[in-house]
Amino acid sequence: DAMVIQNPRYQVTQFGKPVTLSCSQTLNHNVMYWYQQKSSQAPKLLFHYYDKDFNNEADTPDNFQSRRPNTSFCFLDIRSPGLGDAAMYLCATSTSTEVTDTQYFGPGTRLTVL
Amino acid sequence: GQNIDQPTEMTATEGAIVQINCTYQTSGFNGLFWYQQHAGEAPTFLSYNVLDGLEEKGRFSSFLSRSKGYSYLLLKELQMKDSASYLCAVTDSNYQLIWGAGTKLIIKP
Repeated sequence: DAMVIQNPRYQVTQFGKPVTLSCSQTLNHNVMYWYQQKSSQAPKLLFHYYDKDFNNEADTPDNFQSRRPNTSFCFLDIRSPGLGDAAMYLCATSTSTEVTDTQYFGPGTRLTVL
Repeated sequence: GQNIDQPTEMTATEGAIVQINCTYQTSGFNGLFWYQQHAGEAPTFLSYNVLDGLEEKGRFSSFLSRSKGYSYLLLKELQMKDSASYLCAVTDSNYQLIWGAGTKLIIKP
């Protein structure tokens, strides 16, 4: 049974055209994360929600926004995608932000910017 | 600065044993994770070490030496399906998860 679901798996958008990626979870976890991962690179944390509390990483561009309307869903909005934003976007969840808590990842959405 | 070092790529033979090393320099240490990531897919959890020593889990084992800032992932009886990237990640003193770029493991018949 899928626990962290991301839609769509593949997304194509045009340069500057807003796009929204979605993530849902059936684990009832408090924390949801969004990562950006480019080819052969480490995942880069963009932001995370602890319940409704939003935590933005200092170096996340303003072009990236997020919404979490309820426990199960979290969205990543890219307001004006550039060619450099083409990447795999990974959603993850965990019970809390305790150091021992494992993060569970969704299958990712691969974004192509034309 | 914070840094996680892993080899970029390794090749091994089906049925053999391979050791993937990870060294880290972070501001504090609160545990080390290993994740497996198949091409085009999300990372999946393999192991977590916070104390020195070896943790064995089936064909996979993970070792940690905090004094040396060093860990390895040992894979035994390699199977073709083990071809993947293996990511080392460390939780620092601020409870931030610092990721390595991953080691791409290629298994040959």
